Amino acid sequence: AQSVAQPEDQVNVAEGNPLTVKCTYSVSGNPYLFWYVQYPNRGLQFLLKYITGDNLVKGSYGFEAEFNKSQTSFHLKKPSALVSDSALYFCAVVDTGNQFYFGTGTSLTVIP
Amino acid sequence: NAGVMQNPRHLVRRRGQEARLRCSPMKGHSHVYWYRQLPEEGLKFMVYLQKENIIDESGMPKERFSAEFPKEGPSILRIQQVVRGDSAAYFCASSSTGNNQPQHFGDGTRLSIL
Repeated sequence: AQSVAQPEDQVNVAEGNPLTVKCTYSVSGNPYLFWYVQYPNRGLQFLLKYITGDNLVKGSYGFEAEFNKSQTSFHLKKPSALVSDSALYFCAVVDTGNQFYFGTGTSLTVIP
Repeated sequence: NAGVMQNPRHLVRRRGQEARLRCSPMKGHSHVYWYRQLPEEGLKFMVYLQKENIIDESGMPKERFSAEFPKEGPSILRIQQVVRGDSAAYFCASSSTGNNQPQHFGDGTRLSIL
């Protein structure tokens, strides 16, 4: 069965510092991995995806994610955090039936 | 706005009433997904539909919940005889081909049961 785990409910980082939001996955077959961001009272917005190719995927708003097959991880990163990055972040994996499995989310707070 | 449109944004119902949530997918998208989000929880998949067909309803409660995506008009998530536990945010997403393409989400309907 496909699943993702986001081990941290909450991540705090100072503005200007690098940020990492962690995600590990469990899939049978090739993983298709996604990151989404959710702002208050809004739907999820697509940030980036990994299907195949380079392990470092670049996405919207300066975010990137590193696919690590040996560690079954797909951590979201940004070199320099902004206060406006404060939001809820979801990792997701897709199975062969195109069903998305979302993690429980990580709340990111960027401290001015 | 060419995005996924959900209405109403907020819906209040009394126990025992029916709730109808509507979703118009992005233009050109024929795949629709419904999710439920509870506080402190992630998104839980409910149902995946294509035009006039239910592809996967493994996340739908067996009773009281139904979904449709007719040939014409929006997709409808229907909850009959609502109970307090149905209070949640319900999100609709759509995609074009369904082949591992990103899903585009609406802003959700927040259902409150009195």
